Amino acid sequence: DAKTTQPNSMESNEEEPVHLPCNHSTISGTDYIHWYRQLPSQGPEYVIHGLTSNVNNRMASLAIAEDRKSSTLILHRATLRDAAVYYCITHAGGTSYGKLTFGQGTILTVHP
Amino acid sequence: SAVISQKPSRDICQRGTSLTIQCQVDSQVTMMFWYRQQPGQSLTLIATANQGSEATYESGFVIDKFPISRPNLTFSTLTVSNMSPEDSSIYLCSVVSSSGPGETQYFGPGTRLLVL
Repeated sequence: DAKTTQPNSMESNEEEPVHLPCNHSTISGTDYIHWYRQLPSQGPEYVIHGLTSNVNNRMASLAIAEDRKSSTLILHRATLRDAAVYYCITHAGGTSYGKLTFGQGTILTVHP
Repeated sequence: SAVISQKPSRDICQRGTSLTIQCQVDSQVTMMFWYRQQPGQSLTLIATANQGSEATYESGFVIDKFPISRPNLTFSTLTVSNMSPEDSSIYLCSVVSSSGPGETQYFGPGTRLLVL
């Protein structure tokens, strides 16, 4: 799994979009980019994942750079419930699935 | 999705004792894992719980300290043996389920362990 670099913390106001960046310059061609988040006092929660193309789901959007060396998780309208630690993880999948390497993540604070 | 429950949710234990943590999943899953989250830190994988065979441990973790059982496709236990204060952590069970969007990974709520 490639090393990922994320800002230690970010702040946002409620109802505003949030763009959480992640650098993964050593990602291999077959590694997926996953995002998980951990709400206070809970286990991590899957947010989104992608390989090359941008992805959207009900929780967020994932924008992947053309060279795949970076990606951005987009929360379109932040709510107080989105305050969490967000982890960007690259992962090969297949037989190594489940063996995630968590970095320190980005602590997102959402202000009312 | 897979719903995971863990017992106990938290415990305070004396050093030198052992604690067994249970993980129950609401559906059969192929892969189950145990992670540790030390205070203020991120998650670290302890081992893969294999059904019908010995668990596979990551570097730095050994079977004598963290014995794991997986008797079926919905249940696993992790024992923290001969505990010391350094074992104070959150222990999380995780599964990979094909019932979600692609191969999504799910985590339990964690067991918060304090060793005195």
